[in-house]
Amino acid sequence: QKEVEQNSGPLSVPEGAIASLNCTYSDRVSQSFFWYRQYSGKSPELIMSIYSNGDKEDGRFTAQLNKASQYVSLLIRDSQPSDSATYLCAVNKNSGNTPLVFGKGTRLSVIA
Amino acid sequence: DTGVSQDPRHKITKRGQNVTFRCDPISEHNRLYWYRQTLGQGPEFLTYFQNEAQLEKSRLLSDRFSAERPKGSFSTLEIQRTEQGDSAMYLCASSSGAPGYGYTFGSGTRLTVV
Repeated sequence: QKEVEQNSGPLSVPEGAIASLNCTYSDRVSQSFFWYRQYSGKSPELIMSIYSNGDKEDGRFTAQLNKASQYVSLLIRDSQPSDSATYLCAVNKNSGNTPLVFGKGTRLSVIA
Repeated sequence: DTGVSQDPRHKITKRGQNVTFRCDPISEHNRLYWYRQTLGQGPEFLTYFQNEAQLEKSRLLSDRFSAERPKGSFSTLEIQRTEQGDSAMYLCASSSGAPGYGYTFGSGTRLTVV
């Protein structure tokens, strides 16, 4: 079982819709969770972090964490074509003392 | 501060040659990470430093790979006797190490071994 799993996509959504990106992780001791956006040919950029169960909102982005189900998701409201990118889920096993483990990423395509 | 800088941006080398990449982290960050990313994959951890100490190395990091951070500032990643399988994007990232804080990535060095 891979440590961090994501559906590689592509996930296609129409402009203005909600895009839902999902991630599962295998290690129950994981404590910190991150979503990165990566445009083609560019490096990853941090969108959000979450470490408590529940929802965390930042603008059009909402991260959701369910540690019991070992599941973290990212919702993008009012999707724009500029949101088209690969979204990487990353997990920290403990309080920052181990390197982030990344999933393969989900490619999102927002269609105008 | 201009963020994390990596040099060169692109490197084409012949198989068997040695290559060295440089990373300059954000100045107040004491942690520096090297990752490798191939097409369609997420970044794979290679090694990381806290100040000048190399704290962890991945099993992916063969004996041909070596990394240094001699004064706790910039870091270099050297690959000796390059192979075609080394072709990838090499990403450097830095962080403050504070719990719950993510990494800031550099633009990466794209290595092509021909």
